Amino acid sequence: ETGVTQTPRHLVMGMTNKKSLKCEQHLGHNAMYWYKQSAKKPLELMFVYSLEERVENNSVPSRFSPECPNSSHLFLHLHTLQPEDSALYLCASSHSTGAYGYTFGSGTRLTVV
Amino acid sequence: SQQGEEDPQALSIQEGENATMNCSYKTSINNLQWYRQNSGRGLVHLILIRSNEREKHSGRLRVTLDTSKKSSSLLITASRAADTASYFCATDAWGAQKLVFGQGTRLTINP
Repeated sequence: ETGVTQTPRHLVMGMTNKKSLKCEQHLGHNAMYWYKQSAKKPLELMFVYSLEERVENNSVPSRFSPECPNSSHLFLHLHTLQPEDSALYLCASSHSTGAYGYTFGSGTRLTVV
Repeated sequence: SQQGEEDPQALSIQEGENATMNCSYKTSINNLQWYRQNSGRGLVHLILIRSNEREKHSGRLRVTLDTSKKSSSLLITASRAADTASYFCATDAWGAQKLVFGQGTRLTINP
């Protein structure tokens, strides 16, 4: 356990489904991140929240919708996804400066069928 | 835009040998970090080196940073089978509030 918990670990969803990924940390960090990791590609930053405000939205399609209700929780709401959205979705947290490194969760392996 | 680029993309060595991985980046940085990822799992933070540092050690890990060449290297000494993983460098640019990762080096340690 790293201190960042992601659920579920695995998710299979149809293109018309709506699902949510959850991330939780109790490390006292005040910044949280969603990354997407696809095969043969570098990690792609999707969203950044600092002090519960979204500070970065990296041209992510609107079928991905983040939510950060407090500094300990981060969600990624998914709807009408495409097969190419199948990937490992990683959540991370850090002190807002990032000067001490990020702590990652184990990820959610998403398969869109 | 992609910041760090690792070299080589894949490395296979015998247990006990040293492994060296390199990372190049493009813009000015606040710090550079190295992470390890076991297959299909999350990333684990290994070491952070600040832009005003040139070398840092942690156990069997040694990281160097050359800001004039915009490059870093990660050396793992006396490798073990458990070191088999992918290794990523990530750069934190000044004021960017985000880490940008390279594509990683896949390291295999053969027993």
